[in-house]
Amino acid sequence: GAGVSQSPRYKVAKRGQDVALRCDPISGHVSLFWYQQALGQGPEFLTYFQNEAQLDKSGLPSDRFFAERPEGSVSTLKIQRTQQEDSAVYLCASIQFSGANEQFFGPGTRLTVL
Amino acid sequence: GDSVTQMEGPVTLSEEAFLTINCTYTATGYPSLFWYVQYPGEGLQLLLKATKADDKGSNKGFEATYRKETTSFHLEKGSVQVSDSAVYFCALSDQAAGNKLTFGGGTRVLVKP
Repeated sequence: GAGVSQSPRYKVAKRGQDVALRCDPISGHVSLFWYQQALGQGPEFLTYFQNEAQLDKSGLPSDRFFAERPEGSVSTLKIQRTQQEDSAVYLCASIQFSGANEQFFGPGTRLTVL
Repeated sequence: GDSVTQMEGPVTLSEEAFLTINCTYTATGYPSLFWYVQYPGEGLQLLLKATKADDKGSNKGFEATYRKETTSFHLEKGSVQVSDSAVYFCALSDQAAGNKLTFGGGTRVLVKP
């Protein structure tokens, strides 16, 4: 596609439910990043992949958060046993190659945990 | 670790006024610096960037100069328009850290006609 896409755009979950958020990067982009943006804050890094390898997951807030990119293209961010503090916009970004520094962002998934 | 500090908003201006948003950073390496913009209802878009000291990034009438001596990357525009109303984020990336972005908290700008 022309840009990074994310689905769903909006997700409402009851506390304790598991959710899965999908990111389709720009075709051919090597690296993929996930960020969490709380209301009124700047995005914060969660994790990143180079192809299928998860090279940095230092930003994941707890072991309830898990990300994968099994074929080096589409990525899924999974949150288990959601809590209210997980409510945020989850942003995905991709870059063309590992040495590039311009990240292209998707529209985000707004997660609301009730 | 790396960090970015930018002035808090909201900043309210009249059309054709001069805009400046201050941004300072802390980094252990030699980061690239960015300004991203988020228009209402839209995703983050890259506005401009600078990859080394004294570089000036510019786009859509906005400018910012990478100042290593003051660790700053202030955003300026000489004459704002209503369409510039948005949230602006200063950010840095360090190639040694995999090019992940570290963002400031964002500054909301409202331009009134």
